[in-house]
Amino acid sequence: EADIYQTPRYLVIGTGKKITLECSQTMGHDKMYWYQQDPGMELHLIHYSYGVNSTEKGDLSSESTVSRIRTEHFPLTLESARPSHTSQYLCASSLGGGGYTFGSGTRLTVV
Amino acid sequence: DQQVKQNSPSLSVQEGRISILNCDYTNSMFDYFLWYKKYPAEGPTFLISISSIKDKNEDGRFTVFLNKSAKHLSLHIVPSQPGDSAVYFCAATADTGNQFYFGTGTSLTVIP
Repeated sequence: EADIYQTPRYLVIGTGKKITLECSQTMGHDKMYWYQQDPGMELHLIHYSYGVNSTEKGDLSSESTVSRIRTEHFPLTLESARPSHTSQYLCASSLGGGGYTFGSGTRLTVV
Repeated sequence: DQQVKQNSPSLSVQEGRISILNCDYTNSMFDYFLWYKKYPAEGPTFLISISSIKDKNEDGRFTVFLNKSAKHLSLHIVPSQPGDSAVYFCAATADTGNQFYFGTGTSLTVIP
């Protein structure tokens, strides 16, 4: 039973569209993360948050933005999707002092 | 520059035998390491961890070994089962619970 939820699971969208990938967790974790993964590649951190109203960019440059208005919710937005944004996006959360709990991911295809 | 490396993209093992998955890292500040398992179309799930103060951690069929001088860790699965077939990611952090760095994964196939 997942405690961290990502929607949608799959999304195919046209170039130039604005999209928001949703991530919610019910564990009360302060720390949340967005990772991007291409097939056969490592997970790259693109955004993270250590609490409400706190967001930072990760190591991998990304044109996406995030917000953290509520502890349980950490949505990622692409204002204008491009084919280069095609990837899998994984959301994770943690309490700190241990590992992450990951969501099931969103596989995004921009055509 | 990739700080965590898994140089074997794939591994096939017969059911009942040992699976050994390897991981190397470059950052000597890393002090906490995890292995995740990932099935297709799902997010990674935590498998086992090890802190740099230990050189071995066991959990059932899974054992992780850490060699700090070589900056190398390995995951041993014994006996391997077909349900173990998945992609295994190694991850490391220098700041426990905060940013983890992931390897590219090793796809394990356990042949019945």
